Amino acid sequence: DIQMTQSPSSLSASVGDRVTITCQASQDISNYLNWYQQKPGKAPKLLIYDASNLETGVPSRFSGSGSGTDFTFTISSLQPEDIATYYCQQYDNLPALTFGGGTKVEIK
Amino acid sequence: QVQLQESGPGLVKPSETLSLTCTVSGGSISSYYWSWIRQPAGKGLEWIGRIYTSGSTNYNPSLKSRVTMSVDTSKNQFSLKLSSVTAADTAVYYCARAIAAAAFDPWGQGTLVTVSS
Repeated sequence: DIQMTQSPSSLSASVGDRVTITCQASQDISNYLNWYQQKPGKAPKLLIYDASNLETGVPSRFSGSGSGTDFTFTISSLQPEDIATYYCQQYDNLPALTFGGGTKVEIK
Repeated sequence: QVQLQESGPGLVKPSETLSLTCTVSGGSISSYYWSWIRQPAGKGLEWIGRIYTSGSTNYNPSLKSRVTMSVDTSKNQFSLKLSSVTAADTAVYYCARAIAAAAFDPWGQGTLVTVSS
């Protein structure tokens, strides 16, 4: 199985801050990586697909980059409504899809 | 827009079979992969498996021996059966559509299934 390691597991930042989350794959997954946002009590929501493509309707302050084993998810200016847990998900070795452990983002 | 809704018993006894159905509305179930994903309370996401509208399936190797998925295109529904459940199977179960190869969107609201006697 491909393991996905997300860091940090949690972070606290101020409104307006730039927030960066990393996801490292245990082997090369090309750009086969997606990012999701999950607010408390809600289902996850797709934000970024194929490492860097913004899903339709998602604010442009969200972005993703990377390829191979190292990936980055960025919120350019943290907003109060961005409080959530963020997950990466690889799909290189279909059908064995795996998610990262999640990063909980809080407001300082 | 496409919406998904999970349904099924919220309580299942140990050793029995968990059965859930996902109803797709606002669009056709045809020509997509449909997945089940679960999340134990306070924990991360685990992909269970997927089914194509042809009936072709792929399962998470860690659950493969206990999972069966099916699809009913006439009802715009797909289903999950997980046999021989234990307390470790207690989780919120989500259904989701796969787009762009394997990006999940949209998701159902999720349904909590508790395994307890």
